Amino acid sequence: QKEVEQDPGPLSVPEGAIVSLNCTYSNSAFQYFMWYRQYSRKGPELLMYTYSSGNKEDGRFTAQVDKSSKYISLFIRDSQPSDSATYLCAMSANTGGFKTIFGAGTRLFVKA
Amino acid sequence: DAGVTQSPTHLIKTRGQQVTLRCSPKSGHDTVSWYQQALGQGPQFIFQYYEEEERQRGNFPDRFSGHQFPNYSSELNVNALLLGDSALYLCASSLGQNTGELFFGEGSRLTVL
Repeated sequence: QKEVEQDPGPLSVPEGAIVSLNCTYSNSAFQYFMWYRQYSRKGPELLMYTYSSGNKEDGRFTAQVDKSSKYISLFIRDSQPSDSATYLCAMSANTGGFKTIFGAGTRLFVKA
Repeated sequence: DAGVTQSPTHLIKTRGQQVTLRCSPKSGHDTVSWYQQALGQGPQFIFQYYEEEERQRGNFPDRFSGHQFPNYSSELNVNALLLGDSALYLCASSLGQNTGELFFGEGSRLTVL
């Protein structure tokens, strides 16, 4: 079993839709939860960064962490064609140094 | 403010050869992590350098080695290249080793023939 599971998609939605992206994990030691966006042939860029459980909102993006269920989500409101990219969940724990583990990434296509 | 820079951007090698990839971290960052990303996959952690020492290592063979210099820049070396080493190699920098907040470069795309 992988430490982090993420549905690779692809996920195709019309412009303006609400997008829900999810990851599950098995290591209860994870404390930091991140979402990265990666455009084709580019490096990942950090979108959201949260510590422990709870919600965090930034513009059209909302990240949720449920540590009891080992489940994290990213919601994108009013999706735009420019949101078309691969979204990677990532998480890490302080175990004498940090090793950030990534999911496989979900490919998102937003159609105009 | 310069972000993370990596070189070269693309390179082609043959099986058995050796390769060195270079990374300069974001200004003010002192920690460098290296990741391997195969096509259609998420980044896989190779190792992390902090204070010029390897602090964490993923499940990669000893053919993968690295170095961090006093100015925090870093190199990734891969010996005895295999076809399966073809991938995008990403460098990520952070402030301190105790954070998951990583800033990535554009990557070095390695093709092994």
